[in-house]
Amino acid sequence: NAGVMQNPRHLVRRRGQEARLRCSPMKGHSHVYWYRQLPEEGLKFMVYLQKENIIDESGMPKERFSAEFPKEGPSILRIQQVVRGDSAAYFCASSPRDRSSYNSPLHFGNGTRLTVT
Amino acid sequence: KQEVTQIPAALSVPEGENLVLNCSFTDSAIYNLQWFRQDPGKGLTSLLLIQSSQREQTSGRLNASLDKSSGRSTLYIAASQPGDSATYLCAGEGGNKLTFGTGTQLKVEL
Repeated sequence: NAGVMQNPRHLVRRRGQEARLRCSPMKGHSHVYWYRQLPEEGLKFMVYLQKENIIDESGMPKERFSAEFPKEGPSILRIQQVVRGDSAAYFCASSPRDRSSYNSPLHFGNGTRLTVT
Repeated sequence: KQEVTQIPAALSVPEGENLVLNCSFTDSAIYNLQWFRQDPGKGLTSLLLIQSSQREQTSGRLNASLDKSSGRSTLYIAASQPGDSATYLCAGEGGNKLTFGTGTQLKVEL
């Protein structure tokens, strides 16, 4: 059973371009979480999605950022008109169900490192 | 709002030493407390998860404790090895989100 897969591993974008980050959850998992790690800072929650629904986007910047988790295919984190401050490592994790009733470790993908030049 | 603090920020020890990493959190309404390891430029590896009803968990040379009433968790590493060198992160989980500390950067020297 493959773990959480993220691609690309590294992404370089010029200011103003769009960045698309993909996360394929573990098999059978329908809950996806995105986190961001800015340089010299801790990991911060961004968004929690279930298939076709955004459950909690309280950590998402209000502008330029969006996330989706369609019925088929990976979850996508999309950043429009990237700026240098978006340079960070973006991690996703998945779970088979709501975490309040599932006490197993949360496993993360290896992340996508976005560099904005 | 949950805040998680880790002390020390960095630690350097000789090989073979036993050590303790500290984690404190402000909101005791957590489902569980997780410890992770992160190697430079890599992802997160889950080490131990302690449920809110538990006091400790052990895996090999690692032992993690949780005291919800005082808002503290510790990660004990026995007989440290150079391969243990990494950043160790603790995270409190509640409301379907993890709140991470900023980590302790551990270096185990030969």
